[in-house]
Amino acid sequence: NAGVTQTPKFRILKIGQSMTLQCTQDMNHNYMYWYRQDPGMGLKLIYYSVGAGITDKGEVPNGYNVSRSTTEDFPLRLELAAPSQTSVYFCASSGLNRGYTFGSGTRLTVV
Amino acid sequence: AQKITQTQPGMFVQEKEAVTLDCTYDTSDPSYGLFWYKQPSSGEMIFLIYQGSYDQQNATEGRYSLNFQKARKSANLVISASQLGDSAMYFCAMREGQGGGADGLTFGKGTHLIIQP
Repeated sequence: NAGVTQTPKFRILKIGQSMTLQCTQDMNHNYMYWYRQDPGMGLKLIYYSVGAGITDKGEVPNGYNVSRSTTEDFPLRLELAAPSQTSVYFCASSGLNRGYTFGSGTRLTVV
Repeated sequence: AQKITQTQPGMFVQEKEAVTLDCTYDTSDPSYGLFWYKQPSSGEMIFLIYQGSYDQQNATEGRYSLNFQKARKSANLVISASQLGDSAMYFCAMREGQGGGADGLTFGKGTHLIIQP
């Protein structure tokens, strides 16, 4: 059982470039989330989804977009990358048992 | 106002001693859940323990227990008999509302725990 899989693990982007962070879960969870973690801080919610075709903004959505075409996949899109988006990104999913499973994270640097 | 407050940025503890990591929370929702996660230097988020607002007893998971004081809005993590491998960042988090977790988690800023031999 893979749980939540994130790719890539590391990425360096130039200012203005775009990229998609991939997230896949195999637990048939309805709820999925994207968080970012800045150095020395806790995680902040970027976007979340309660099911395929439904997404909503979290605390820090600016500069990001998401889609949820299937239950399994919840990609995060960065358009026009900025240095302020340098962070570690975590994808997570949750089922009816209220437990949250996190991916291993993507470390993104924008230079 | 912060929803989750962890007042200890860092702690040094001697191996085999018990450790208490503080967490206070703020919510007006009668239904909520409190979580503790461990983040070692490798970066992954490891779930430790969960306490629901309606749970009558304090949660326990092996060496981890949660000292839940609802009236004080406190949910401290207690680690008994600390080990070197317990050195990590520890995050307290809250989910507000009932249900499967649609609202996501709100995290505190964390406590960096270092266990000394």
